[in-house]
Amino acid sequence: GESVGLHLPTLSVQEGDNSIINCAYSNSASDYFIWYKQESGKGPQFIIDIRSNMDKRQGQRVTVLLNKTVKHLSLQIAATQPGDSAVYFCAENLYNFNKFYFGSGTKLNVKP
Amino acid sequence: DSGVTQTPKHLITATGQRVTLRCSPRSGDLSVYWYQQSLDQGLQFLIQYYNGEERAKGNILERFSAQQFPDLHSELNLSSLELGDSALYFCASSVGRLAGGNNEQFFGPGTRLTVL
Repeated sequence: GESVGLHLPTLSVQEGDNSIINCAYSNSASDYFIWYKQESGKGPQFIIDIRSNMDKRQGQRVTVLLNKTVKHLSLQIAATQPGDSAVYFCAENLYNFNKFYFGSGTKLNVKP
Repeated sequence: DSGVTQTPKHLITATGQRVTLRCSPRSGDLSVYWYQQSLDQGLQFLIQYYNGEERAKGNILERFSAQQFPDLHSELNLSSLELGDSALYFCASSVGRLAGGNNEQFFGPGTRLTVL
């Protein structure tokens, strides 16, 4: 199957700083990508998505960047807050096939 | 609260046994997805049902099966359980057939399965 990996398993940031979480994907044919947040004891929660015809998409305090040339995805969180502490997953998908492949996750620790 | 419910919350059983996990999607959602999350393999997509029919299949073992009923709730059946089947099993639901975009998946709280 496809493999989606994360470069940094754990990221610690100071409250108020910006966070950048990275993800490498393996299938150049993937055309849809999602970032999920998973808090302890809960199921994953959708954060933001991006299609392959875009290279940047912004949400509320979050930005996703897509570099198809090097098959790299990143999630930027502005002014990181303690409530952002969680595990973040990226997932890739061939949109019409509806099969998602997830990375192993990056744990974000926000220090007060 | 995502609106997706899963039962039971915890399940402890022995190798070789069979269990059934249950999922009720959000009101109005027609798609149900099943995922397995284990420590060594991360989150893996198993299978999707849309309005009672299988829509997409991922890394689901032959020992596992699922179905979606007319009232749209879904069950995941795991048989001949092995130690390696111990994991969190998540159900998610969405309105339409294709997940994502305006058809966001909402995840339930999961069922933690422990096989002894």
